[in-house]
Parts: sequence; structure tokens; C-alpha cells
Amino acid sequence: NAGVTQTPKFQVLKTGQSMTLQCAQDMNHEYMSWYRQDPGMGLRLIHYSVGAGITDQGEVPNGYNVSRSTTEDFPLRLLSAAPSQTSVYFCASSYHRDNEQFFGPGTRLTVL
Amino acid sequence: AQKITQTQPGMFVQEKEAVTLDCTYDTSDPSYGLFWYKQPSSGEMIFLIYQGSYDQQNATEGRYSLNFQKARKSANLVISASQLGDSAMYFCAMREANSGGSNYKLTFGKGTLLTVNP
Repeated sequence: NAGVTQTPKFQVLKTGQSMTLQCAQDMNHEYMSWYRQDPGMGLRLIHYSVGAGITDQGEVPNGYNVSRSTTEDFPLRLLSAAPSQTSVYFCASSYHRDNEQFFGPGTRLTVL
Repeated sequence: AQKITQTQPGMFVQEKEAVTLDCTYDTSDPSYGLFWYKQPSSGEMIFLIYQGSYDQQNATEGRYSLNFQKARKSANLVISASQLGDSAMYFCAMREANSGGSNYKLTFGKGTLLTVNP
């Protein structure tokens, strides 16, 4: 099993550009989440999903969209990148809400 | 008010000694779960231990144990026999059952940076 994979590992965008961060898992997990990690802030939940076709907002959803058309994939879309979205983004999945979340390796995004 | 508070930005411990990392939480939900994660300098997030609010016993996983004091709303992580490889950032997180939506929101603390000295 590859676990949770994220692409790209690094990305530089200009203000106003859009892009999609990819996340995939091969463990047949129903639960998936996107977090951002900023220095001194811990991890903050952006969006999450409890199954294909079901998504919900987390703590900091503004400027981001998600969809879940399959169990495996949970892409995160930045609609119009802003410097405030410079961060490290983690995708995570779990079998059940009380089970451990398996994290991907992260994507380091810089918005100029 | 913060839902998860980790009051120790940094901690130092000698190799082979035990260390306690503090975590307090704030919730009015009777059903919740508490997690601890480790983040080494390489950046990956590693799950350590889980405690459910209705669990009767404190959780243990190898050298990790969770000192769960429900009345005090604290869930401190105890690492016994520290190793150099334990040097990392440690995060406490909470899932509340009635956090709205589909009840899968995890809230993380800001973390404690543990340094193990030889």
C-alpha cells in the first residue's frame, strides 16, 4: 500500500492563480481531511469528507474548494491564490473517526 | 477560548528519563476523543496514541501513555525512557462528537517542541 499520497511536494504560485492539490489513499478509508500548518499555529482543518459525495467545512475553508467523487481521491482547489495561503498542506485519511488519521507527506505552497 | 491548549512551547529532557507533555482541552460534549501526534523535523505526522472520553483506563502504546484526567480536562502524554529519536514537535488534538456537520472535525493544539539531550 502506498498509504496517503500528495502531489505536488512543492509549488510556487503567483497571486490570483488557481491550482489543485492532489490527495489519494489506497486504504479504502471513508474519512479524509485537508489541513494547513502555519508556524506556531498547529494544524487547522480546511475541509473534510466522510465518504464519496459528502464534504463539509472545517475551521478555515475560505478560498478553498473540495469534492469527493471517489473514495480514493480528495483534491483541494485554490480558487485564486493569495499570499495568506502560503503554508504547508496535509491530507489525511482514517477508517473511522476514532481511528488514527494517516497523513500524507505534505505540500509546501508559496504564493508570491 | 482555545479548545486545545499546550502550555509548553518547548521542553528538554535527558536521554532515558521520562517526560510529560501537557494538554488541556475545552468541550461541553460528553463524547469526544483525544489524539497525540509526533512531527519530527522531516515533517511527517505520526500517530502516537488515542483516548476516548468513555474509556475507563488510560491509553498506553509502548513507551507512550496518556494521563487522562477527565474532571480536570487534561490529557497529558507521558514518554518513558526518552530516546534521541523522540526529539520532535508533539501535537495534542481533540475530536468532538457534536462539532456540527458530520462529526469529524479534529482541533489541534499549537504543539510542544521536545528536545532529548544525550
